[in-house]
Amino acid sequence: SYELTQPPSVSVSPGQTASITCSGDNLGDKYVSWYQQRPGQSPVLAIYQDNKRPSGILERLSGSNSGNTATLTISGTRAMDEADYYCQTWDSNTVIFGGGTKLTVL
Amino acid sequence: QVQLVQSGTEAKKPGSSVKVSCKASGGTFDNYSITWVRQAPGQGLEWMGGIIPLSGRTHYAQNFQGRVTITADKSTSTTYMELSSLRYQDTAVYFCARGDCSGGHCYKEFDFWGQGTLVTVSS
Repeated sequence: SYELTQPPSVSVSPGQTASITCSGDNLGDKYVSWYQQRPGQSPVLAIYQDNKRPSGILERLSGSNSGNTATLTISGTRAMDEADYYCQTWDSNTVIFGGGTKLTVL
Repeated sequence: QVQLVQSGTEAKKPGSSVKVSCKASGGTFDNYSITWVRQAPGQGLEWMGGIIPLSGRTHYAQNFQGRVTITADKSTSTTYMELSSLRYQDTAVYFCARGDCSGGHCYKEFDFWGQGTLVTVSS
C-alpha cells in the first residue's frame, strides 16, 4: 500500500522559513494537499493540488511537489503557525495521510 | 458557508457498535463526497472511508473493511458512519470532511471538516 513519510517534528525561529517535507514513491505524479491542525481543533485545508491556497489561507504558506517529495513552506513564521501539519494524497479511491509533523516556533 | 455538524460524544463498551452522524448545511450534496477520518489520542489522521451521497457509492480503507459502514440520507443531508466490534484501540476523535468530486475524483482534498466526535471505548 502507498505510504507518505513526514518528519515527526520541525523547529523554526520566528520570522524564519519553515519547510515540511512529505515523501512517497513518485509523489510528484499525484496531487498533494496539506492540512494544519491546532491542538483540540479540526484540521484545516491549507494547500491543495500541490500549490493552491484556499481562500482565507495566508500567502505565507506555499506548496510544491516534484519527484518523490512534496514540501510545505511557511515563510515569516509566527507563533500562530505552531501546529501539526499533515500531507495527504489519494490513489484509486483510497486516501493516504502522512504521519504528521509538529511545527514548533522557538 | 458549508458547515458539517457531527453528533455528540459517545461512550461504548468493547464489542458494541457506534454510529456517528454528520449533517451538512449551507450547501448541497451534489458533486461532493463525505469522508471519515479518525484520530486516536496523540496520534495522526487515519482515513476510514467515504461516500458519494449522490450515487451512494462507498469506499473503505482496508484496515476497516467489514467493520465500518458509511451511509447517506440525501433528504436530510446527513451522512452516518457506523463502526462495529469496538475495541479499546478504537477510542478516538472521529471527523467527517467534505471532498469535491469535480474532475471525477472525489477524494483529492477535503475543504470543510466537522467538529469531531469523541468515541471512548471502555469496559
